[in-house]
Amino acid sequence: AQTVTQSQPEMSVQEAETVTLSCTYDTSENNYYLFWYKQPPSRQMILVIRQEAYKQQNATENRFSVNFQKAAKSFSLKISDSQLGDTAMYFCAFMKPINYQLIWGAGTKLIIKP
Amino acid sequence: GAVVSQHPSWVICKSGTSVKIECRSLDFQATTMFWYRQFPKQSLMLMATSNEGSKATYEQGVEKDKFLINHASLTLSTLTVTSAHPEDSSFYICSARGTGRTDTQYFGPGTRLTVL
Repeated sequence: AQTVTQSQPEMSVQEAETVTLSCTYDTSENNYYLFWYKQPPSRQMILVIRQEAYKQQNATENRFSVNFQKAAKSFSLKISDSQLGDTAMYFCAFMKPINYQLIWGAGTKLIIKP
Repeated sequence: GAVVSQHPSWVICKSGTSVKIECRSLDFQATTMFWYRQFPKQSLMLMATSNEGSKATYEQGVEKDKFLINHASLTLSTLTVTSAHPEDSSFYICSARGTGRTDTQYFGPGTRLTVL
């Protein structure tokens, strides 16, 4: 069975700093998708970034980028020039390609301090 | 694009009554919709998966007679909590997977249910 592990329950950084959130997963699949979602205090789940496992190139979305290491089964999220609005819970998720269900990590609470 | 709405955003009901929550994909057709439950400071727990026109598939431990899911159209799924009790109080979130970007789930804003 697939599992997703986020080892950092909480992190805090100063505004404008760069922060990296860790995520590891376990699967025997070769083709799959990985996601980072953020959940701000409003509790709306927002897609941050997605990565296809068959792509070697790391996905980027503006200030957000990932370091995808398929052999190591690692999928970390880097947030550059952090902003107060980045304060949220961040969830790493693995998508099972057979049924498109998401396997979730426990989440990392990120606090951006002014 | 890929907007999902939920209604109501919050509801308070008396124990023993039923509550219906609607999940709509506003700008895309949702092939599959998912229903989650989230407890405070925890991750999402998948309750069921529904495909349009088919019966929902429930996760182990989820009572299908208590949590009725209907996915009658490509843009609407409903979750009905029947004979609600205080232990059903929670935050319920739906998500939808569309025909355009089939490998991504887009989430509704959630519904907070409080059963008195």
